[in-house]
Amino acid sequence: EVVLTQSPGTLSLSPGERATLSCRASQRVSNGFLAWHQQRPGQPPRLLIYGASNRATGIPDRFSGSGSGTDFTLTISRLEPEDFAVYYCQQYGYSPLTFGGGTKVEI
Amino acid sequence: EVQLVESGGGLVQPGRSLRLSCVASRFTFDDYAMHWVRQAPGKGLEWVAGISWNSGSIGYADSVKGRFTISRDNAKNSLYLQMNSLTAEDTALYYCAKSSGTYYYHNYYIDVWGKGTTVSVSS
Repeated sequence: EVVLTQSPGTLSLSPGERATLSCRASQRVSNGFLAWHQQRPGQPPRLLIYGASNRATGIPDRFSGSGSGTDFTLTISRLEPEDFAVYYCQQYGYSPLTFGGGTKVEI
Repeated sequence: EVQLVESGGGLVQPGRSLRLSCVASRFTFDDYAMHWVRQAPGKGLEWVAGISWNSGSIGYADSVKGRFTISRDNAKNSLYLQMNSLTAEDTALYYCAKSSGTYYYHNYYIDVWGKGTTVSVSS
């Protein structure tokens, strides 16, 4: 099983600041098959990024993903009020599919 | 807009069974693999099971293997999760999720989530 470790657990920032979230895999993620999902309080998750760096439909360009192998990063260039949420990385190259523990971005 | 609507959750005693359903609309259901993902109260996301378009590729998390069965009925645009021998550790919000791909439940990302149905296991 591919274990995904996200850091930090909580990120305390202000609107307008830059957020950098990390996701480290216990083994190489096949073909860069890594996604990022955002979950706002009381809502289901929403796909942000797939294939490590591709934005999903309708996702603003302030969100960007990068990385390969075992180290991946989600960057939010300038935080908007609606971006304060929990972010999960997920690998889908191996079964079982696995999620990281999440990073909470708070004000 | 793609829609996934889960149902079948509720309060159930330990050791009993429950069957979850997910009805899909506004996309061609039998063109895509599907998943169940759960979230225990206050916790993160846990993949439960996945199924390819024709049920030829199916996978489970170790935590549910042998107790849960994922299935689909393409004629009814529906996904199911049969849950047996439930324990308190199965208490969670269960999400139905659409895959971006067809032939396998892995190698494709989850691109749409339902709103979920709550399962509570308690005596």
